[in-house]
Amino acid sequence: DGGITQSPKYLFRKEGQNVTLSCEQNLNHDAMYWYRQDPGQGLRLIYYSQIVNDFQKGDIAEGYSVSREKKESFPLTVTSAQKNPTAFYLCASSMTAYQETQYFGPGTRLLVL
Amino acid sequence: ILNVEQSPQSLHVQEGDSTNFTCSFPSSNFYALHWYRWETAKSPEALFVMTLNGDEKKKGRISATLNTKEGYSYLYIKGSQPEDSATYLCAFMTTGNQFYFGTGTSLTVIP
Repeated sequence: DGGITQSPKYLFRKEGQNVTLSCEQNLNHDAMYWYRQDPGQGLRLIYYSQIVNDFQKGDIAEGYSVSREKKESFPLTVTSAQKNPTAFYLCASSMTAYQETQYFGPGTRLLVL
Repeated sequence: ILNVEQSPQSLHVQEGDSTNFTCSFPSSNFYALHWYRWETAKSPEALFVMTLNGDEKKKGRISATLNTKEGYSYLYIKGSQPEDSATYLCAFMTTGNQFYFGTGTSLTVIP
């Protein structure tokens, strides 16, 4: 069953803590993306990766970090520098980074305690 | 940050009605325009990727048009059904590989 999985579904973060959101795909896609959704706003791009070992910042990368050591995995770390991390996070992938349809995971909701 | 606007924000229609919504985006640095459907408790699902001015795409009862010179795209749904109820998102892709999503149009089809 091909697709994108994200875990966990809900994540709680304490003040000053780094947390990592998982995103895995078995679609053999080269490109992967992380988006954040806040109430009343569209999805905003945090980071994207066109290929293994390469990634680029989106508009709201501050306070986040990513890695792309394997084609199928693109974890997102929300660092303590991100002052307003409470949001819904969506991961997506596409065959390539150019024009291609994106396939989305089910999302992770991050809440700050 | 570029501005992508969708209108209306929400829409209620009767089953069988046809409807349409608008996505407005900057006319410069255009690379592609994506439409997605996002049903509650599911992941966004791709409808169309449009790249050329004047493009028209169709998938069943749903179709879309693209005007890159004036910076807008229309999504049409013919004969709306309750299963069409969802939020419809457009995303503007720039030549620099950045994606900018609109806030979506929430469609409710009343049986």
